[in-house]
Amino acid sequence: ETGVTQTPRHLVMGMTNKKSLKCEQHLGHNAMYWYKQSAKKPLELMFVYSLEERVENNSVPSRFSPECPNSSHLFLHLHTLQPEDSALYLCASSPTHMVGGYGYTFGSGTRLTVV
Amino acid sequence: DQQVKQNSPSLSVQEGRISILNCDYTNSMFDYFLWYKKYPAEGPTFLISISSIKDKNEDGRFTVFLNKSAKHLSLHIVPSQPGDSAVYFCAASGGGGTSYGKLTFGQGTILTVHP
Repeated sequence: ETGVTQTPRHLVMGMTNKKSLKCEQHLGHNAMYWYKQSAKKPLELMFVYSLEERVENNSVPSRFSPECPNSSHLFLHLHTLQPEDSALYLCASSPTHMVGGYGYTFGSGTRLTVV
Repeated sequence: DQQVKQNSPSLSVQEGRISILNCDYTNSMFDYFLWYKKYPAEGPTFLISISSIKDKNEDGRFTVFLNKSAKHLSLHIVPSQPGDSAVYFCAASGGGGTSYGKLTFGQGTILTVHP
């Protein structure tokens, strides 16, 4: 497989559930990101990892917990979410954290619905 | 405070004509500007970027223009094709402060190209 792969593509969870989103990149990139896209809003940066170290947490509530066990894998652990957390969650990677003009490679996203 | 804005939610164009997508920004410290395209059920894909020291960058049918004094950029697609129908996001990198690896996105513009 090539590119950035996210699983699952769709997820419905109750407010008391615990679930995890998975992201895997096969590009040899050293930086990985979680973004959230809510309806009618711009993409919002949640977390940045560079060489498996979290370098930015963009004021995200603690019910979202990222994990980066190696430079190819990124997880987003979810627990006690709220209905307003329903959104498209996008994973992305870039060669380094210095994004510059090369931008990111995005996965297809996980459409999360909290009921 | 939204630093990157796309004020037109949608644009409709006839096949073969020019599509012009606009983007405004407020942070003069952005160092690169990027355009992404997104089809339904897919992640955004990188289209073209421009450095803040340039005023034009061209790649095939796509040209991005940057007007730094007006803090405005635009994406021109000539000629437009039905396959160009998608959501287009403007993004900016850099920006000073805690901008580690961060891209700041606009809200997106839905482009529809009619045959």
